[in-house]
Amino acid sequence: QVQLQQWGAGLLKPSETLSLTCAVYGGSVSGRSWSWIRQSPEKGLEWIGDISYSDITTYNPSFKSRVAMSVDTSKNHFSLNLTSVTAADTAMYYCARGVQQWGQGVLVTVSS
Amino acid sequence: DIVMTQTPPSLSVTLGQPASISCKSSQSLLHSDGKTYFFWYLQRPGQAPQLLIYEVSSRFSGAPDRFSGSGSGTDFTLKISRVEAEDIGLYYCMQGTHLPITFGQGTRLDIK
Repeated sequence: QVQLQQWGAGLLKPSETLSLTCAVYGGSVSGRSWSWIRQSPEKGLEWIGDISYSDITTYNPSFKSRVAMSVDTSKNHFSLNLTSVTAADTAMYYCARGVQQWGQGVLVTVSS
Repeated sequence: DIVMTQTPPSLSVTLGQPASISCKSSQSLLHSDGKTYFFWYLQRPGQAPQLLIYEVSSRFSGAPDRFSGSGSGTDFTLKISRVEAEDIGLYYCMQGTHLPITFGQGTRLDIK
């Protein structure tokens, strides 16, 4: 069974870049699409976007100017970068296999 | 963006009794490919959301058969035939027919 393990910096200052990585265990990152979703008390669940194994990305327009996703097939993981963060980006960030299976989440706090 | 409206916001159910949650979308979720990309998730306390139902009425692997989904177009329902203690948590609907993917605001289920 595929498992997702994610990691990244949990505390950022305003204007910094959020970087998260999600490793895929028990399966290959190839042949599927992979998503990033975040959850905050203020906005609930928000889909950030997804990326296919062939690097085709689809981003939520709400994030489009700040977001970048990538896949590293050699390391069997995929990543999220979100630039110029503000306090409004404070949330639990989840990676997911498509929309089916979610990672455990990483809490990211943006504070000066 | 498609707005997903769940009702009720919360419900309290006696163990062994049925429960029902409604989700309405601001536009039809019937895709041009003939499928309806509508999903139900359960988020247990302290955990990531887990997929229960996909494409309106198909149970995801591992989802108990007491969960069933129905609906079409803009109106959808999740039913639990007999609530068990492990069913407590937040239930979310999600649509993937129209980009960006959007979620309902959640329905909290607890035991009376």
